[in-house]
Amino acid sequence: QKEVEQNSGPLSVPEGAIASLNCTYSDRGSQSFFWYRQYSGKSPELIMFIYSNGDKEDGRFTAQLNKASQYVSLLIRDSQPSDSATYLCAVNNGGSNYKLTFGKGTLLTVNP
Amino acid sequence: DAGITQSPRHKVTETGTPVTLRCHQTENHRYMYWYRQDPGHGLRLIHYSYGVKDTDKGEVSDGYSVSRSKTEDFLLTLESATSSQTSVYFCAIGGRTGLEQYFGPGTRLTVT
Repeated sequence: QKEVEQNSGPLSVPEGAIASLNCTYSDRGSQSFFWYRQYSGKSPELIMFIYSNGDKEDGRFTAQLNKASQYVSLLIRDSQPSDSATYLCAVNNGGSNYKLTFGKGTLLTVNP
Repeated sequence: DAGITQSPRHKVTETGTPVTLRCHQTENHRYMYWYRQDPGHGLRLIHYSYGVKDTDKGEVSDGYSVSRSKTEDFLLTLESATSSQTSVYFCAIGGRTGLEQYFGPGTRLTVT
């Protein structure tokens, strides 16, 4: 059973702080990693993807990947109240590249 | 999600009735997916398609069938709806630009 684990939260940070969201996965064959943001009552929205070990930055978002530790994280700098949402980590299935396994998500609350 | 639509957006049906949900894309993605999202379980893959008439099961396929007769349309059918199929159903597309998936707006289905 391929698993993707996330802390369910809620993670509460003050406005302007760095929010750190973490994800671990069990399938060593996984090569592609995705972060989705989901506002309450809405559909998941892709915000970042990363394929190589190290960091990938896009605006206020940084994805970090460590395949040896089977760990992927998302940092949100200068957090804003509009960042309050559930963040889903998704990992491709090593045996079937086009299938993803999702974590249950971490609820982030950014307090003004 | 402007290039992907789902219909209906909301549906209430009775136990034992058949239900068909439609996903339509205008993005020419090869892959299409049906997920369900439930509290405590996250997003789970029901079925997916890798081309016209090419479909395969996901992790929670029992009680569901799918069809894809055109690239742009992917149908999910509940042959005889049960209360356990009350959920939010998301369609996703992918494969044209990479492994990432993009989600439709969702269908909230209630089986009474």
